[in-house]
Amino acid sequence: DQQVKQNSPSLSVQEGRISILNCDYTNSMFDYFLWYKKYPAEGPTFLISISSIKDKNEDGRFTVFLNKSAKHLSLHIVPSQPGDSAVYFCAASAIGSSNTGKLIFGQGTTLQVKP
Amino acid sequence: NAGVTQTPKFQVLKTGQSMTLQCAQDMNHNSMYWYRQDPGMGLRLIYYSASEGTTDKGEVPNGYNVSRLNKREFSLRLESAAPSQTSVYFCASKRVGAGELFFGEGSRLTVL
Repeated sequence: DQQVKQNSPSLSVQEGRISILNCDYTNSMFDYFLWYKKYPAEGPTFLISISSIKDKNEDGRFTVFLNKSAKHLSLHIVPSQPGDSAVYFCAASAIGSSNTGKLIFGQGTTLQVKP
Repeated sequence: NAGVTQTPKFQVLKTGQSMTLQCAQDMNHNSMYWYRQDPGMGLRLIYYSASEGTTDKGEVPNGYNVSRLNKREFSLRLESAAPSQTSVYFCASKRVGAGELFFGEGSRLTVL
């Protein structure tokens, strides 16, 4: 049973436009959400996170939005750049897991930004 | 700063062979993790060690064992490899109070 779902396996966007990556979750105990970026042959790298007490967190070109009632979060990248082309993973952590750090990951979305 | 270092980076095994994946971190992190990544499945937690001296099962622990050798090192052992264990394995670590994990570059394992 996939608790964190990224239903779009891939996304293609033109350079300079907005990229929107989506993530849905089913476990209402999740209280902390993260986005990771992964290039081929490298490990995932942390991008941005959001706590369940917030509905938005911004870091430069990256903004994460959280809609708790819909159990949905999204990552917006504005403007998109070719170097943003990578696989993006959504991840969640449940109440009680904050000390252990256990993260549940989605399947990933491959973003391609075309020049 | 090396961060999280995994060895080996590539390995080919025959069914039934055993091997150990090594992981070391130099960030003085308390918690360490082993994940596997398979196409269409994302990253799934195999085992984790919340602190030195403790280990716990994750989502997919069957067929694996782990050892938290000291604060720096966390190894993953396959006692009798199976083709279903063909995957890319990632080790990660986390400091106390932080939410994000730091990942190594991965170890690609093929079991024939």
